[in-house]
Amino acid sequence: QKEVEQDPGPLSVPEGAIVSLNCTYSNSAFQYFMWYRQYSRKGPELLMYTYSSGNKEDGRFTAQVDKSSKYISLFIRDSQPSDSATYLCAMSEAGGYNKLIFGAGTRLAVHP
Amino acid sequence: GAVVSQHPSRVICKSGTSVKIECRSLDFQATTMFWYRQFPKQSLMLMATSNEGSKATYEQGVEKDKFLINHASLTLSTLTVTSAHPEDSSFYICSARPGTGQRDSDTQYFGPGTRLTVL
Repeated sequence: QKEVEQDPGPLSVPEGAIVSLNCTYSNSAFQYFMWYRQYSRKGPELLMYTYSSGNKEDGRFTAQVDKSSKYISLFIRDSQPSDSATYLCAMSEAGGYNKLIFGAGTRLAVHP
Repeated sequence: GAVVSQHPSRVICKSGTSVKIECRSLDFQATTMFWYRQFPKQSLMLMATSNEGSKATYEQGVEKDKFLINHASLTLSTLTVTSAHPEDSSFYICSARPGTGQRDSDTQYFGPGTRLTVL
């Protein structure tokens, strides 16, 4: 079993839809949770960064962490064609060298 | 803020040559930098972790004599692929973690990546 599970998709939605992306994990020591967006042939771009459980909102993006269920989510409201990319969840334990453990990435396509 | 650059963005070389890739944190000091490799349609694979002024820590299965990492300053790390072969062709990405006491010191910011093609 992988430490972090993420459905690779692809996920195809119409413009304006609400998108829900999810990851599950097995390591209860994870404390920091991140979502990165990666366009083709580019480096990952940090979208959201959350410590421990709870919700965090930034514009059209909302990140949720449920540590009791070992489940994290990223919601994208009013999705746009420019949101078409691969979304990677990542997480790490507290302290140390903060080695990130990545999910496989979910490919999202938002069509006009 | 939190910008990481990589140079070159793309390199093509002949088999047997060495290639150096630079990773710089432009607006913050990075005590720790990471090097990843990514194959098409796959997630990132961590190769090594480097801390300024000390030897890099390599992940299991990564040849340290083939992938030389130097973290010479708080803003610069280099990856040298020695005696490159076609199987080393890949997308190499670095990331940098802001030092303790700086904003978002518990996350990583990624460079744009370097595409290496070995003929």
